[in-house]
Amino acid sequence: RKEVEQDPGPFNVPEGATVAFNCTYSNSASQSFFWYRQDCRKEPKLLMSVYSSGNEDGRFTAQLNRASQYISLLIRDSKLSDSATYLCAVLPNTGNQFYFGTGTSLTVIP
Amino acid sequence: EPEVTQTPSHQVTQMGQEVILRCVPISNHLYFYWYRQILGQKVEFLVSFYNNEISEKSEIFDDQFSVERPDGSNFTLKIRSTKLEDSAMYFCASSSDGNYNEQFFGPGTRLTVL
Repeated sequence: RKEVEQDPGPFNVPEGATVAFNCTYSNSASQSFFWYRQDCRKEPKLLMSVYSSGNEDGRFTAQLNRASQYISLLIRDSKLSDSATYLCAVLPNTGNQFYFGTGTSLTVIP
Repeated sequence: EPEVTQTPSHQVTQMGQEVILRCVPISNHLYFYWYRQILGQKVEFLVSFYNNEISEKSEIFDDQFSVERPDGSNFTLKIRSTKLEDSAMYFCASSSDGNYNEQFFGPGTRLTVL
């Protein structure tokens, strides 16, 4: 079973739409969760950490559901510049290596 | 804003040759990492480094690989006797804390083994 799983997409949405991605993780004791954004052939850039209480940063909202072992990312009012691959990263309870999902591809269409 | 830097941006080498990839982590960070991403695949952990020693490594990080912090700023990944399947993007990352804190990635070195 994979440590972290994501729907690879692609998600093609019109500008202004709301889109949500989920990411499931297998280790119930995982302690920290993050969303990264990766543009083509570039490095992952931290988008936001995911806290138990949920957190919001502008148009982006991240949620953690420990009972069902998934994290989510909601993007409201999509912009063309949001087009990228969104990676979830999970830090287990032991060690400090990130487990990344394969990423979900988003294309925002004019 | 402080950032992780990596050199070179692209390295081309012949199979069997040794390469050294260089990274300068964010200056006040204490934990350093190497990840790789084969084209079209996910980002995979290789190794983490703290207090001048390896703290964790994956199955990928076999005897072909080694890491070093030769001075106060550089963090290097050496790949001995490169293989075709070593072709990938290699990302260095650093964090201020080994737990909970975010890891910040450098721009990567694209390694091409011919």
